[in-house]
Amino acid sequence: DGGITQSPKYLFRKEGQNVTLSCEQNLNHDAMYWYRQDPGQGLRLIYYSQIVNDFQKGDIAEGYSVSREKKESFPLTVTSAQKNPTAFYLCASSPPGQGEGYTFGSGTRLTVV
Amino acid sequence: GQNIDQPTEMTATEGAIVQINCTYQTSGFNGLFWYQQHAGEAPTFLSYNVLDGLEEKGRFSSFLSRSKGYSYLLLKELQMKDSASYLCAVFKAAGNKLTFGGGTRVLVKP
Repeated sequence: DGGITQSPKYLFRKEGQNVTLSCEQNLNHDAMYWYRQDPGQGLRLIYYSQIVNDFQKGDIAEGYSVSREKKESFPLTVTSAQKNPTAFYLCASSPPGQGEGYTFGSGTRLTVV
Repeated sequence: GQNIDQPTEMTATEGAIVQINCTYQTSGFNGLFWYQQHAGEAPTFLSYNVLDGLEEKGRFSSFLSRSKGYSYLLLKELQMKDSASYLCAVFKAAGNKLTFGGGTRVLVKP
């Protein structure tokens, strides 16, 4: 079955440590996205990539980094520069064009202690 | 810039109807999505409106007025499992991006 996989589901890290969240899709989608969601809030765009080896900053990119070396994979690194990293992180992918919407992964809940 | 507004929370009774409004002001607009999200889970697709008017899908309907920057999601014959957050999102073809509102938490009571 095609889908998008995020791992791990729960992640704990100490303050000051970098952490990388995994996102893999086998849907053959060109575009991939990372969103952050805080309790009771909507989704805010961190980074997105329309094609391999290319990515753009979203609305809240500071303190995060990404890479897109393969079409299937779009890992997100939360660096120590991110002031409030504790949140629910959602990865999504989409084919080109309108009306398809996004396919979301099941999310990673990151807690920094 | 973009501004997408939805009510924070709504409460309704099982079997009733609830209407969730979404207003938006965006630079560039190609369509509007509605997603449902249960707590701690990923959003799931409900509807997509490109043209003005009402789209009906079973118990859920979505309306769009592009000239007014306004959409609503109508949930009929509410069931307890409809208790969730409902996210309005504006689609921009340039960049193939979705921008989300803050979400509306709907609580269905017996």
